[in-house]
Amino acid sequence: KAGVTQTPRYLIKTRGQQVTLSCSPISGHRSVSWYQQTPGQGLQFLFEYFSETQRNKGNFPGRFSGRQFSNSRSEMNVSTLELGDSALYLCASSGGTQEAFFGQGTRLTVV
Amino acid sequence: DAKTTQPNSMESNEEEPVHLPCNHSTISGTDYIHWYRQLPSQGPEYVIHGLTSNVNNRMASLAIAEDRKSSTLILHRATLRDAAVYYCIPMANSNSGYALNFGKGTSLLVTP
Repeated sequence: KAGVTQTPRYLIKTRGQQVTLSCSPISGHRSVSWYQQTPGQGLQFLFEYFSETQRNKGNFPGRFSGRQFSNSRSEMNVSTLELGDSALYLCASSGGTQEAFFGQGTRLTVV
Repeated sequence: DAKTTQPNSMESNEEEPVHLPCNHSTISGTDYIHWYRQLPSQGPEYVIHGLTSNVNNRMASLAIAEDRKSSTLILHRATLRDAAVYYCIPMANSNSGYALNFGKGTSLLVTP
């Protein structure tokens, strides 16, 4: 069974640009959640999607958004990038048990 | 969200048991206690979870205090591969969604 796949693995963007990250969950999983990891703030929850609807949301500005497609794949978008958005972005999928499965993450660098 | 307190770091010798404590005195009566770990350069990995009773799986054991205000993750024989940051996370039943509040965790060093 394939795990959670995140693309791309690495990304370099310029301040002010926007970026879209992709996450393919484990087959059959309908919940996809996103996290930001930085050295200063640690792992922080961004939002969770379930059956194409946002079910939970963390405390991030509106520049951070996401969506989920009918096949459960999810994308997150960050608009008007700031230097502080440089981070490892992780997604996790869950299939109705208490366990979440994480991808390897996308390393975003904003210059 | 329930606040958790974990030691910043702990050290263990290889093949010895490790007891990782977590205080979660404000936990809700219906919150599960989850443990995840993050190995270097990897995404977090589920370890174990429980509600009231002690739990065992192939990776670890979870001992939950009777008043549920604290819990202890037990690695029975630490290996070098167990060196990671361990997070204790109270969370409501996943039926209401998956939003893990990771906190700072405990960095476990395992020495040969």
